[in-house]
Amino acid sequence: DGGITQSPKYLFRKEGQNVTLSCEQNLNHDAMYWYRQDPGQGLRLIYYSQIVNDFQKGDIAEGYSVSREKKESFPLTVTSAQKNPTAFYLCASSTPGTGLHTGELFFGEGSRLTVL
Amino acid sequence: AQSVTQPDIHITVSEGASLELRCNYSYGATPYLFWYVQSPGQGLQLLLKYFSGDTLVQGIKGFEAEFKRSQSSFNLRKPSVHWSDAAEYFCAVDLDSWGKLQFGAGTQVVVTP
Repeated sequence: DGGITQSPKYLFRKEGQNVTLSCEQNLNHDAMYWYRQDPGQGLRLIYYSQIVNDFQKGDIAEGYSVSREKKESFPLTVTSAQKNPTAFYLCASSTPGTGLHTGELFFGEGSRLTVL
Repeated sequence: AQSVTQPDIHITVSEGASLELRCNYSYGATPYLFWYVQSPGQGLQLLLKYFSGDTLVQGIKGFEAEFKRSQSSFNLRKPSVHWSDAAEYFCAVDLDSWGKLQFGAGTQVVVTP
């Protein structure tokens, strides 16, 4: 079945450590996104990539980094510079433009990061 | 500033009763509009979307939403809720169909017997 796989589902990190969250999709989507979810704040866009080897900052990119070396993969690194990294992280993909799924995001099941 | 507002943080509804979730947006042009649902600890699933045309949109799980340009609203409705509808619901807008969605803060729906 096609979909988006995020790993790990749960992750604990000590302060000062970098951590990388994995996101893989087999939907053949061009665009991929990382959102952060905090209680009562909805989802906020961290980074997005519309094509391989290119990515753009979203609304809250500080303290995060990404890469897009393959169409299927869009890993997110939460660096030690992120002041409040404890959150639920959601990866999504889409196939922008025309068509049945225009603009529709397909989400993974999320990764919950807790900083100890 | 451009924004998406879901005025109700939490709604409790009896099983079998009707449900309406409110969503307002503040954009100059009509954006692409979406409603997503999230079960605890899970990702989001698309319920329905509006791009243009008929302002009453049908979605999955018996949900519908109505776009009202004059009120900048896109309210979600279901005539009769089921216990499985207990979840968090998010309204979202997209200005250019590229998936850079702006989400509302969400409405938590609790269904009582």
